[in-house]
Amino acid sequence: KAGVTQTPRYLIKTRGQQVTLSCSPISGHRSVSWYQQTPGQGLQFLFEYFSETQRNKGNFPGRFSGRQFSNSRSEMNVSTLELGDSALYLCASSASGTGTSGELFFGEGSRLTVL
Amino acid sequence: GENVEQHPSTLSVQEGDSAVIKCTYSDSASNYFPWYKQELGKRPQLIIDIRSNVGEKKDQRIAVTLNKTAKHFSLHITETQPEDSAVYFCAASIEGNTPLVFGKGTRLSVIA
Repeated sequence: KAGVTQTPRYLIKTRGQQVTLSCSPISGHRSVSWYQQTPGQGLQFLFEYFSETQRNKGNFPGRFSGRQFSNSRSEMNVSTLELGDSALYLCASSASGTGTSGELFFGEGSRLTVL
Repeated sequence: GENVEQHPSTLSVQEGDSAVIKCTYSDSASNYFPWYKQELGKRPQLIIDIRSNVGEKKDQRIAVTLNKTAKHFSLHITETQPEDSAVYFCAASIEGNTPLVFGKGTRLSVIA
């Protein structure tokens, strides 16, 4: 069974630009969650999508948005990039959703550098 | 919302010694507590979890204990080995209701 796939793996942007990251979950998983990982803050929850609907949202500004398609693939978008957005963005898929007792399967992440 | 505090942020132990990582949570309604391990350059992976209806769970050299009254839970690793070196994250949620909230992580170094 293929794991969680995230693209692109690395990207460099400049302040003010926007970026779109993609996540393909494990086949059959309907939940995709996004987390921002930085050295000082650990894993911070961005949002979760389940069957194309946003089910939960973390405390991030509106510049961070996401969506999920009918095949469960998910994208997240960050507009008007700031230096502080530099981070590893991890997506995680699960059969039942983050917060349930089902395991989260993480992708390898997309490392975003904002210059 | 839920807040999870994790200590220590870094921990060094000699190979063969035990390691303990502690987490506290704020929402007394939280009832699901997983631990994830992230090796250098790799993705986080679930290593053990516990629900609030039990006080302790073991899996070979790792164990997790939960104190609901004090709202804290701990990861115990015995007979540590170099391959245990990684960043460990605790997390908490209200099962089926709220997303997992993670602690900031503990970097464990096992010195051979």
